[in-house]
Amino acid sequence: DAGVTQSPTHLIKTRGQQVTLRCSPKSGHDTVSWYQQALGQGPQFIFQYYEEEERQRGNFPDRFSGHQFPNYSSELNVNALLLGDSALYLCASSAERASGVVYTQYFGPGTRLTVL
Amino acid sequence: EDQVTQSPEALRLQEGESSSLNCSYTVSGLRGLFWYRQDPGKGPEFLFTLYSAGEEKEKERLKATLTKKESFLHITAPKPEDSATYLCAVRPSNAGNNRKLIWGLGTSLAVNP
Repeated sequence: DAGVTQSPTHLIKTRGQQVTLRCSPKSGHDTVSWYQQALGQGPQFIFQYYEEEERQRGNFPDRFSGHQFPNYSSELNVNALLLGDSALYLCASSAERASGVVYTQYFGPGTRLTVL
Repeated sequence: EDQVTQSPEALRLQEGESSSLNCSYTVSGLRGLFWYRQDPGKGPEFLFTLYSAGEEKEKERLKATLTKKESFLHITAPKPEDSATYLCAVRPSNAGNNRKLIWGLGTSLAVNP
């Protein structure tokens, strides 16, 4: 059973460019959450997608946007890149459809984004 | 404000020397507390989920416990391969905030052979 996968592994961009990161959830999971992790920090919640809609959002500007496809995979798009966007971007999947239970989020290996 | 604080920031142990990591939290209702292990440059690896005070979970040399204000991750007779950063996260129950995980900064554990 494949876990959460992310692509690409590493990415180098320059300021002002746009980037798209991709995530495939663990088999049986229907929800994808995206996090940004700066060096030495805990992950920061960007947003969560369920049923192809953004369900909740953290304190990130509109330059950060996403999408979820019918097969539950997801993309994270960042426009007008800034130096401060350099970080490890983590995708987590979970099964949120059932009510009354808090399901664990399982993480992918991450995409290391460097903005020059 | 929802907050998670982990201590110590860093811990160095000799192989076989047991110890505990602390995660204290302030959250408006707790839906779950999670422990993850993270190796450098990699995604967090799930260890435990705890839902209510008094709950305990064990896996190999690790044991996680939960009270109403904090959680402990006990490491018994650690080995060098246990070296990693251990992250604690909570999921609040208040509407509008209950989908995300709120994270501590982690404890960096080094186990010397």
